[in-house]
This record gives sequence, structure tokens and C-alpha cells, in this order.
Amino acid sequence: QSALTQPASVSGSPGQSITISCTGTTNDVAGYNYVSWYQEHPGKAPKLILYDVSNRPSGVSDRFSGSKSGNTASLTISGLQAEDEADYHCSSYTSASTPGFVFGTGTKVTVL
Amino acid sequence: EVQLLESGGGLVQSGGSLRLSCAASGFTFRNYALRWVRQAPGKGLEWVSAISGSGTVTYYADSVRGRFIVFRDNPKNTLYLQMNSLRAEDTAVYYCTKGNEYYFDDWGQGTLVTVSS
Repeated sequence: QSALTQPASVSGSPGQSITISCTGTTNDVAGYNYVSWYQEHPGKAPKLILYDVSNRPSGVSDRFSGSKSGNTASLTISGLQAEDEADYHCSSYTSASTPGFVFGTGTKVTVL
Repeated sequence: EVQLLESGGGLVQSGGSLRLSCAASGFTFRNYALRWVRQAPGKGLEWVSAISGSGTVTYYADSVRGRFIVFRDNPKNTLYLQMNSLRAEDTAVYYCTKGNEYYFDDWGQGTLVTVSS
């Protein structure tokens, strides 16, 4: 099962909006609305920030939003803040394996 | 509050074995499937293994099948990962995770496994 494709890095200035893409196939992203996103600060455990494409867990800032079109899911961070500098990972349910988990390649977000 | 605390990582030679543990609290342990996820240095996340709440059903990624064994002790609220025939490519931080069928909503802090060749 191949990993979902994410850009290696994305950067933006404070206050700007950035978008991270997560590209898969018909077996995963395109076929199901079970895309999730995780934020990982250095030395810390990953944290779930979006699930089922666009739902935020309790306590996650509404500056994080998600969407999906075809085989590409997207995470948008609005009003970029210094604390948003982290690695971001997408994941999707996949029918290509049991149980069906596949992660993305990961994206480093830099706040300029 | 859900807490997952991994232990057992360390430095091991290629071909060796290691057993990871994950002590859980803050939820009804036996009611939840659990998974191991790892991250190699500079790489993305990789799902490794999963086990049902009862412990009777297990799953493995192709990369570890036949070498790793996942099991749990529900009375002790502890998850384990027995890693045998370790390879350099198994070097990673290993996370214990809890979640539903489609995502991972709680993670431990991770334990580092380093396999020297």
C-alpha cells in the first residue's frame, strides 16, 4: 500500500492562509470520506486535528479546516501563527489493505 | 483523561528482539482496539499493527508480518509489541494509539527503537 502524497514543505507568513494537499487513489481518499489530519510538534506525539475530512475534535482551533475533491484532500490553516509550525500528516481509510490505514508522506510547515 | 505510556525501546543489534509495552489509563481498556504506529527518522508515519479489544483479532503491516507479534493483557491495561528479527529499517519511534475504525485520536509519547547493523 503506497503512502498518500503530500508536499514536503509549505511556508507562510503570520496571518496568511496555507493549504496542504494529500493525494491518494480511488481505493482511499477518492473512495471514502475518512481522511484525518495530525499535527506533530518536534519531540511531541502527533495530535488529531481533523477527522472525516472536515470535522474538528473538541478543543482544536477553527483556523484548521479540511476539504476533499476527487482523490485529493486538503488541510487549510487560516491566520497562520508561530505555534502552527509543525509537521502535518494526513491519513485515510483504504480498501487496499486490512485494516485499512494509510498515512501521507508528511509536510513540514514553516512560519516565516 | 486518556493516557498511553510506551516503554521498552532501546538499542538492539540487527537480528535481535525487543518487547515494547504501552500502559493505558483513562478509558475502559478492553472495549477498544489499539494500534502501533511508527515513524522512522525523517520519514512519515507508518501503521504497524492493530489488535481488537478482546485480543483475539490481530493485523500486521506487510513490512513486519511474521516478525512482530501484538498482544494485550486486559486486566493489566497494557498493550505489547514483541519485535523479533529486527532490521535496520525498523529503527523508528513507536507510538501506541487508540482510535475508532477510521482515525487515531489518542497517542502515547512514543519510544525510540534503534537497530544497529
